[in-house]
Amino acid sequence: EAGVTQSPTHLIKTRGQQATLRCSPISGHTSVYWYQQALGLGLQFLLWYDEGEERNRGNFPPRFSGRQFPNYSSELNVNALELEDSALYLCASSLRGHYGYTFGSGTRLTVV
Amino acid sequence: SQKIEQNSEALNIQEGKTATLTCNYTNYSPAYLQWYRQDPGRGPVFLLLIRENEKEKRKERLKVTFDTTLKQSLFHITASQPADSATYLCALRSNDYKLSFGAGTTVTVRA
Repeated sequence: EAGVTQSPTHLIKTRGQQATLRCSPISGHTSVYWYQQALGLGLQFLLWYDEGEERNRGNFPPRFSGRQFPNYSSELNVNALELEDSALYLCASSLRGHYGYTFGSGTRLTVV
Repeated sequence: SQKIEQNSEALNIQEGKTATLTCNYTNYSPAYLQWYRQDPGRGPVFLLLIRENEKEKRKERLKVTFDTTLKQSLFHITASQPADSATYLCALRSNDYKLSFGAGTTVTVRA
């Protein structure tokens, strides 16, 4: 069974640009979660999607947004990039109501 | 506000010894608590879940306890091996269904 896949692995952007990160959940998983992990810091909850709807979001500005497609894959968009957006962005998936999350290996976003 | 606190110091232990990690929380009333392992540059891997009515849970060389009175979970790695070197995270679900993580404790097992 394929795990959670994220693309791209690395992304370098200039301040002010937009970044798009992608996530494919495990087959059959309907919930997708996005987390930000800045260097040396803990995981910060960004967004939760389930069945195509945004169910919850963390304390991040509106320039962080995303969506979930009918096949349950998801996209995270970060607009007007700032230097402090540089981080590892992790996507996780789970079955609805299942407690353990399966994480992908992340996208390393660097803003210069 | 809700807080999850893990051992702030990294843990260095000799191979074969037991590593004990602490997770304390405030302003949560969790039905369960989870532990994950994270290797550098990788996503966390789910290890164990313990429910509020379970005092202890084991999986191979891992043992987790959960004391809802003390608001604390202990995570033990017995007969530790260098391959156990990683950062270990505890996680709790808040009332609005967000899964929040502690900052993690980094364990280094010396051969």
